[in-house]
Amino acid sequence: KAGVTQTPRYLIKTRGQQVTLSCSPISGHRSVSWYQQTPGQGLQFLFEYFSETQRNKGNFPGRFSGRQFSNSRSEMNVSTLELGDSALYLCASSFWQRGSDTQYFGPGTRLTVL
Amino acid sequence: GENVEQHPSTLSVQEGDSAVIKCTYSDSASNYFPWYKQELGKRPQLIIDIRSNVGEKKDQRIAVTLNKTAKHFSLHITETQPEDSAVYFCAAPPYGGGNKLTFGTGTQLKVEL
Repeated sequence: KAGVTQTPRYLIKTRGQQVTLSCSPISGHRSVSWYQQTPGQGLQFLFEYFSETQRNKGNFPGRFSGRQFSNSRSEMNVSTLELGDSALYLCASSFWQRGSDTQYFGPGTRLTVL
Repeated sequence: GENVEQHPSTLSVQEGDSAVIKCTYSDSASNYFPWYKQELGKRPQLIIDIRSNVGEKKDQRIAVTLNKTAKHFSLHITETQPEDSAVYFCAAPPYGGGNKLTFGTGTQLKVEL
């Protein structure tokens, strides 16, 4: 099976712009979670989608949003970018619909905000 | 919410020695504890996980132990090799949190020749 894929791999934006990142889960996986990774804050959970519904949410401002499509692909959007949004954004997919399950990570999108 | 603490932040061992990384969690109802390895510039990869109904799990040179009473779990790597050098993260979800993982701050393991 193909692994989790993310596009684009690298992005450079300026403050105030918005950005959309895409994640394609492993075939058959219906849960997609998003994480932000920075040197200072480490790996932090953003949100999880299952069957096109947000199932869990982390402690990020409303500028961070996401959605999931019927084919389980997911996108996350960050509006009004700030310098502090520079990070590696990772998505992870898993199979089960309830409880906690093994999450497989994509390669990430490296976002740089200037 | 869940709070996960991980120690040490850096660990240097000689090739062939064992390495142990420890994590504590705050939510006594947490029931799933994965460990991820992240090499420089690469994605985190699951190396082993354990559920709260078992106390220990092994996979070749890697083992994880869980102490539910003390709310801590540990990663043990035996016969370390240079390719084990990476950052290791523990994680746990809060009760009912599903896939909402809280990660530890990571341990940079360096295996020296």
